[in-house]
Amino acid sequence: DIVMTQSPDSLAVSLGERATINCKSSQSVLGSSNSNNYLAWYQQKPGQPPKLLIYWASSRKSGVPDRFSGSGSGADFSLTISSLQAEDVAVYYCQQYYSIPWTFGQGTKVEIK
Amino acid sequence: DVNLVESGGGLVQPGGSLRLSCGGSGFTFSTYEMNWVRQPPGKGLEWVSYISTSGDTVYYSDSVKGRFTISRDNARNSLYLQMNSLRADDTAVYYCARGRGSTTIWGQGTMVTVSS
Repeated sequence: DIVMTQSPDSLAVSLGERATINCKSSQSVLGSSNSNNYLAWYQQKPGQPPKLLIYWASSRKSGVPDRFSGSGSGADFSLTISSLQAEDVAVYYCQQYYSIPWTFGQGTKVEIK
Repeated sequence: DVNLVESGGGLVQPGGSLRLSCGGSGFTFSTYEMNWVRQPPGKGLEWVSYISTSGDTVYYSDSVKGRFTISRDNARNSLYLQMNSLRADDTAVYYCARGRGSTTIWGQGTMVTVSS
């Protein structure tokens, strides 16, 4: 199984400041046939289901604010919130869908400093 | 509105069985691959099972293989998860989620508690 490891486990950022979450996979999730990274990012607010933010490592889902961006390739990825807003307080998960079983990182809790 | 609604959760004793359902609306259910994903209380997400559009391809996590069965009825726009031989560590909110790999639409979840 591919193990997904996020860092940090939690972070506190001031409103309007940048937040960066890292995600490392135990093996590359870069597809050889299409050169896509099989990596997604989700946001989960308390009492709600997860919401897809980013797929293919850097493609923003329609309707997701452009302050959210994904980057990275191979086995190292990042999610950046360029200017943290109060409504961004949540737990964020990365997920690989390169191979079954699809696996998630342990989550990163983002709070306001 | 695109919507997924789970049902069938509840309290069950260890070793017991439960059948979860998920109804889809607002989209052509038969054209989408579907999944079950679970989340134990206060913990992270765990993918459980996948089913193809026709139902002829299914996958399971090792933790549920041999105990859980995923199925679908496209005529009823419904997804199911038959859970047998339930254990305490199966306690979780169970979500149905649309898509293959990156899942774009999630239901609100149904809680399954396995306890004596």
